[in-house]
Amino acid sequence: SQTIHQWPATLVQPVGSPLSLECTVEGTSNPNLYWYRQAAGRGLQLLFYSVGIGQISSEVPQNLSASRPQDRQFILSSKKLLLSDSGFYLCAWSGGQVYGYTFGSGTRLTVV
Amino acid sequence: RKEVEQDPGPFNVPEGATVAFNCTYSNSASQSFFWYRQDCRKEPKLLMSVYSSGNEDGRFTAQLNRASQYISLLIRDSKLSDSATYLCVVKFYGGSQGNLIFGKGTKLSVKP
Repeated sequence: SQTIHQWPATLVQPVGSPLSLECTVEGTSNPNLYWYRQAAGRGLQLLFYSVGIGQISSEVPQNLSASRPQDRQFILSSKKLLLSDSGFYLCAWSGGQVYGYTFGSGTRLTVV
Repeated sequence: RKEVEQDPGPFNVPEGATVAFNCTYSNSASQSFFWYRQDCRKEPKLLMSVYSSGNEDGRFTAQLNRASQYISLLIRDSKLSDSATYLCVVKFYGGSQGNLIFGKGTKLSVKP
């Protein structure tokens, strides 16, 4: 069966520090991968998606970047965090156009 | 603009009650529809897909009205464990590889 792993679960980082969140998927190949952010009291916002190794599409201009160095690995990064980067970051994968998404357990990031 | 609108609630109901959530979407080209459930501080999890003919899964019934661009979720015989936020989700094809657009969710609280 397919599983998705995301870590860390919680993170407190100072403003201006770098960020690296990792997500890996097991039990499937060539998944579509997604990074979402959920700010307090707001809906889920798509940040990045990837349909293959090295292929990244950005949905919203921001202080973040994403990379997909391996088929089942998706990384969210920032060189310098802002207070507004605080939120609940969720990685998700999809097996194709007709399916919904399966989410990882999320990382709750607080920038202080 | 692609939008999914939901009543944020909260819906406070007693155990055993029947409760209905509604959702409207703005893009008539939408192709797939889902209801997700999100527990407090957890990731969203797929509750059920919504099919054109309507579908039922135990105490949960989902319906779709394409002409009115309207989706509903009915929960019968509410349990305490049904307390959560219910997210209406629409999948648009083209552009962002069929990314999901999430409503902000409707919060349900089932009381003893």
